[in-house]
Amino acid sequence: SQQGEEDPQALSIQEGENATMNCSYKTSINNLQWYRQNSGRGLVHLILIRSNEREKHSGRLRVTLDTSKKSSSLLITASRAADTASYFCATVLISNFGNEKLTFGTGTRLTIIP
Amino acid sequence: DAGVIQSPRHEVTEMGQEVTLRCKPISGHNSLFWYRQTMMRGLELLIYFNNNVPIDDSGMPEDRFSAKMPNASFSTLKIQPSEPRDSAVYFCASSLGHGYTFGSGTRLTVV
Repeated sequence: SQQGEEDPQALSIQEGENATMNCSYKTSINNLQWYRQNSGRGLVHLILIRSNEREKHSGRLRVTLDTSKKSSSLLITASRAADTASYFCATVLISNFGNEKLTFGTGTRLTIIP
Repeated sequence: DAGVIQSPRHEVTEMGQEVTLRCKPISGHNSLFWYRQTMMRGLELLIYFNNNVPIDDSGMPEDRFSAKMPNASFSTLKIQPSEPRDSAVYFCASSLGHGYTFGSGTRLTVV
């Protein structure tokens, strides 16, 4: 079953603009991760934010996490054509025994128009 | 490191046949995950292993599906007998706890 719901399902913007994608989830988490998937390819890990963090940056990526609202956002600044892909949030729950379970959201299809 | 290696990349089989998908995780990673991706259901976690032990197989759709991890460097996902609704891309991923590395997937088509 899906843990996260992403919004919007699809997003098209002009190259150079910023892209914002949102993710909402249902249960407590230990951390939240964002992944990118190019068409027909595997998923690539982008960034991880822990439950006690509120914001994290990596290059042109900015991720926020609001555990009270059970939501996260991914901002891609100064978008490029190469950013065209599907983006997924994934929540991680670590059990009392230390086992991790990664559950993906529904994804946002981002298209950058040159 | 060559990353997570999955084989085959593509598999076309007839309904009723047995299908075996293979995965070699990154050396040193202690967690391994099998996912299935379809347009209708997105990415579904099927099963995951920690230190070669199956931890949660609640995502395995039915008894036709089974997964094994006989050692730290190899895992298989078997479907027997296969059905057309099993057609999907199956991904394997491994982790040491800070981000997951995915293989390129196996595209399975059951006709």
